[in-house]
Amino acid sequence: DAKTTQPPSMDCAEGRAANLPCNHSTISGNEYVYWYRQIHSQGPQYIIHGLKNNETNEMASLIITEDRKSSTLILPHATLRDTAVYYCIVRVVEDNTGTASKLTFGTGTRLQVTL
Amino acid sequence: DGGITQSPKYLFRKEGQNVTLSCEQNLNHDAMYWYRQDPGQGLRLIYYSQIVNDFQKGDIAEGYSVSREKKESFPLTVTSAQKNPTAFYLCASSIDPTGGETQYFGPGTRLLVL
Repeated sequence: DAKTTQPPSMDCAEGRAANLPCNHSTISGNEYVYWYRQIHSQGPQYIIHGLKNNETNEMASLIITEDRKSSTLILPHATLRDTAVYYCIVRVVEDNTGTASKLTFGTGTRLQVTL
Repeated sequence: DGGITQSPKYLFRKEGQNVTLSCEQNLNHDAMYWYRQDPGQGLRLIYYSQIVNDFQKGDIAEGYSVSREKKESFPLTVTSAQKNPTAFYLCASSIDPTGGETQYFGPGTRLLVL
C-alpha cells in the first residue's frame, strides 16, 4: 500500500468546517483512499472512502485531486465529539492474493475541536 | 444490534502467562483481523482470517496465536513468547474474504502486563 503524509495536529472551532489534508503522491491506479478516525481509547471508526470521484456521506465529504496525489476530508460542521485522530489510508481493494487485507495505519492527524 | 464485541475491556497478565482475548461478530462477515496499537502509534496487523479454519500471519505474528473454528469468533492468544505484550488490541471484520471491503472495528482490549 502507498504511504500517506498527514499533519500531526490541527485545531478547529466548533461549528466550522474541518478540512484535513492527506498526501499520497505514490498512489497506484487501483488503490482507494480510505479515512478512519479513532476517538481516544476506542476502536477506529470508518468514515468514507473513494477512488477518484468526490464522495459524500452523512459524516463527511472526501475531495480527491484530479491527479489523485492528495485528498481532503471535510467535516462540514465540526462538533466537540469530532475530536479524534484521523487516519488517511490508501489500499488496494480488488485483489485476491490476500494483500488487500491489511490496513496500514500511520500516525494520523489529531483534530482538536474547541468551543 | 449487529456489531463486533471484544472482551474484556481491560486485561492484566502476569509475566510468563498466556492470555486469550475474545472477539465476536454477528455481522455475518467472512474476514476477521487482529491489530495491535502502541501509544501514539498506528495499528499493526497481527493475524487475519479470510474464512473459517484458515488464517494468515500479519506483520507482527511472533508471540501470538489465533484460531477460527466458527465464522463469528476469532480469539487471539498472547503467549509468553511475546516479549512486549502491553498494548491496545483491536479486532476487525469485513464482509469480503479478500479483505477488499471496509473493515469495521470492535472497541478494543487494553492488555497490561504486571
